[in-house]
Amino acid sequence: QKEVEQNSGPLSVPEGAIASLNCTYSDRVSQSFFWYRQYSGKSPELIMSIYSNGDKEDGRFTAQLNKASQYVSLLIRDSQPSDSATYLCAVVDSWGKLQFGAGTQVVVTP
Amino acid sequence: GAGVSQSPRYKVAKRGQDVALRCDPISGHVSLFWYQQALGQGPEFLTYFQNEAQLDKSGLPSDRFFAERPEGSVSTLKIQRTQQEDSAVYLCASSLGGEAQQLFFGSGTQLSVL
Repeated sequence: QKEVEQNSGPLSVPEGAIASLNCTYSDRVSQSFFWYRQYSGKSPELIMSIYSNGDKEDGRFTAQLNKASQYVSLLIRDSQPSDSATYLCAVVDSWGKLQFGAGTQVVVTP
Repeated sequence: GAGVSQSPRYKVAKRGQDVALRCDPISGHVSLFWYQQALGQGPEFLTYFQNEAQLDKSGLPSDRFFAERPEGSVSTLKIQRTQQEDSAVYLCASSLGGEAQQLFFGSGTQLSVL
């Protein structure tokens, strides 16, 4: 079992709709959680970080964390074609290493 | 520099050749990480430096892989006797403080072993 699990997708979302991405992790000690966006052929770029249970909003993005359930999610509101990318969930493990999931591909259709 | 710089951008090697991949992190960043990303997969941790000290190399797949950061700035990832399974994108990332905080990634080196 990988430390960080995500559905690979593709997740097809109509333009203007909400995209919902899920991630589970196995290390109960983890305290730091991140979402990275990776366009095809490009390197990952950080879009959200979250450290406490609950919701964190930044523009059209909302990250949600539930440590008891070992679950972190990302919502993208008013999805745009430019949001089409692979979204990587990343978790700092008990050794201080950033572990990535395999990523969820999001396709926003006009 | 303004961002993390990696070179070369692309590298084609014949099986058995040695290769060296370079990473120039953001100036002043203490931590430097190397990741390997296979097609369709997320980045896999290889190794981590804090300044010149290699604190974790548990992700290096074999003793053919070696990384160094002698002066706490530029880092080199060396792969000896390359194999086809080494073909991947090698990503370097740096962060301002210790351990894995906000990572800034370079553009990566795409290695193809023929």
